[in-house]
Amino acid sequence: SQTIHQWPATLVQPVGSPLSLECTVEGTSNPNLYWYRQAAGRGLQLLFYSVGIGQISSEVPQNLSASRPQDRQFILSSKKLLLSDSGFYLCAWRATGLFHGYTFGSGTRLTVV
Amino acid sequence: AQSVTQLDSQVPVFEEAPVELRCNYSSSVSVYLFWYVQYPNQGLQLLLKYLSGSTLVKGINGFEAEFNKSQTSFHLRKPSVHISDTAEYFCAVRGLGGSYIPTFGRGTSLIVHP
Repeated sequence: SQTIHQWPATLVQPVGSPLSLECTVEGTSNPNLYWYRQAAGRGLQLLFYSVGIGQISSEVPQNLSASRPQDRQFILSSKKLLLSDSGFYLCAWRATGLFHGYTFGSGTRLTVV
Repeated sequence: AQSVTQLDSQVPVFEEAPVELRCNYSSSVSVYLFWYVQYPNQGLQLLLKYLSGSTLVKGINGFEAEFNKSQTSFHLRKPSVHISDTAEYFCAVRGLGGSYIPTFGRGTSLIVHP
C-alpha cells in the first residue's frame, strides 16, 4: 500500500534561519507531488507541484523553493525564513490519471519567531 | 479556472443532530468534486468524491454529498453527528483537464457539542 511521510511534525525557527521540510512517498512510482500551506482561517494555498524528477511548478511568488531530487522525494526549502512563513505545511501526492484524489501527509506546524 | 465557496466558516451543532455543510463552486468546464476532513494537527483525509454517475455520493463515517449541477453545489450531509466528527471540512473542485490541480475552499469548522 502507498504511504506518505512528512517530517518534522513541528518546528520552531528564528527569523532569518534556513528551512528544509521533507516529504517522501512509498509504494508508488512517478506520483504527482504537492506542497500546500494552511494559514489560520485561510484554507489551503498551493505552493508548488511536481509531475516528475526535477520538474517544479510554483503557484505563487514567495520566500520558499521546492526540489524533487528523487522520484518519491519532495523538499520544501527557504534560505531565510520570514515571520509570515509561519503556518501548517502539507505535502500531498496523487497517482497519475484522471480519477484519483489526493493523499495528504500529516503536516508540519512551522512557527517562525 | 475554478473557484469554491464554503458558505459557513463555522457550524456548531449538538450531538445526534443532522448537519449540512455547504459548498458552491464555479467552473467553465466539467468538474470533479471532493470533500476532505482534517482533524486537529493532522493532514487531510478524503471523505468522498463525485466523478460521474449518481449525483448522491456516499463516503466514510456516514457522510454523503449531493451534486447539483444546476445550482453548482456539492453540499455535505450527515443525519446524526458524533462528537468525533468535530473537525475542519474542505470542499475541493478539479476541472476535467489542464493540470488537474484542485481548488480548495477555505474550510468549514464543524463543532459538535454534547
